[in-house]
Amino acid sequence: GAVVSQHPSRVICKSGTSVKIECRSLDFQATTMFWYRQFPKQSLMLMATSNEGSKATYEQGVEKDKFLINHASLTLSTLTVTSAHPEDSSFYICSANKAVLGGPTLHFGNGTRLTVT
Amino acid sequence: DAKTTQPPSMDCAEGRAANLPCNHSTISGNEYVYWYRQIHSQGPQYIIHGLKNNETNEMASLIITEDRKSSTLILPHATLRDTAVYYCIVRVAYNTDKLIFGTGTRLQVFP
Repeated sequence: GAVVSQHPSRVICKSGTSVKIECRSLDFQATTMFWYRQFPKQSLMLMATSNEGSKATYEQGVEKDKFLINHASLTLSTLTVTSAHPEDSSFYICSANKAVLGGPTLHFGNGTRLTVT
Repeated sequence: DAKTTQPPSMDCAEGRAANLPCNHSTISGNEYVYWYRQIHSQGPQYIIHGLKNNETNEMASLIITEDRKSSTLILPHATLRDTAVYYCIVRVAYNTDKLIFGTGTRLQVFP
C-alpha cells in the first residue's frame, strides 16, 4: 500500500492565487522530504529538499519566495505555490525516505496536477 | 551519484519479455542500481535494486554485468499495464540524499 500520501491529486486555481499541496508519510517518520516538478513528457526535476524543523534547501533556479515549503512535523511537508501563474501549471510530486532494511528507501506520492487558469 | 544512460524509448509485444538496458560505467563500488517506473500521471514506483548479484522479485529481474558497468531490467511477461517510463538510478544504498532522475526509457507495450 501507499506509504506517502499527497493531497490534493488535482487542483485548478486562478492566476494570482495561492495553492497548498500536502505530503504525508503514512507509517513512518520523515525528517527529509523532497519536492519535484514535472512538465509534460519531461523527467522529474528536483525543486527543493524539505527539512523537518529547519529551512528548506532549494535547487538552483527555484524561487524560494514563490514555492514556500513548510515541514512542521515528522510526517507532513507542505508546498505552497504563491501568486500562481499559468506557467506554474505542472505535475508536483513529493517523496520521502523510509529506512527499511534491505529494501527501497525512497517512496513517492501520487502527485498533484496543478492547473492555473 | 554516478550517471546513467538509457535508450529513450522501446517497444514490446504483450506477453513477451521486455529487456531494458542501462549503462552506468562510472558506478562506484558502494553504489547500488535502482529501478523505478512512472506510469502516466502517477508518482514513480520502486521496482527493484541490486549491488552485483542478479535480483528477482515479483515485478522484475535485474541482471548486472560482472564489471557492474551496465545492467538490464527484465519484465518477463510484459502487459499493457507495464507501459511506463522506466528510470535507472545508481546511488549509495540507504543514501538519504536527494534522488536525481535522468530521462529514462519510455516502454510501450502493444497488443
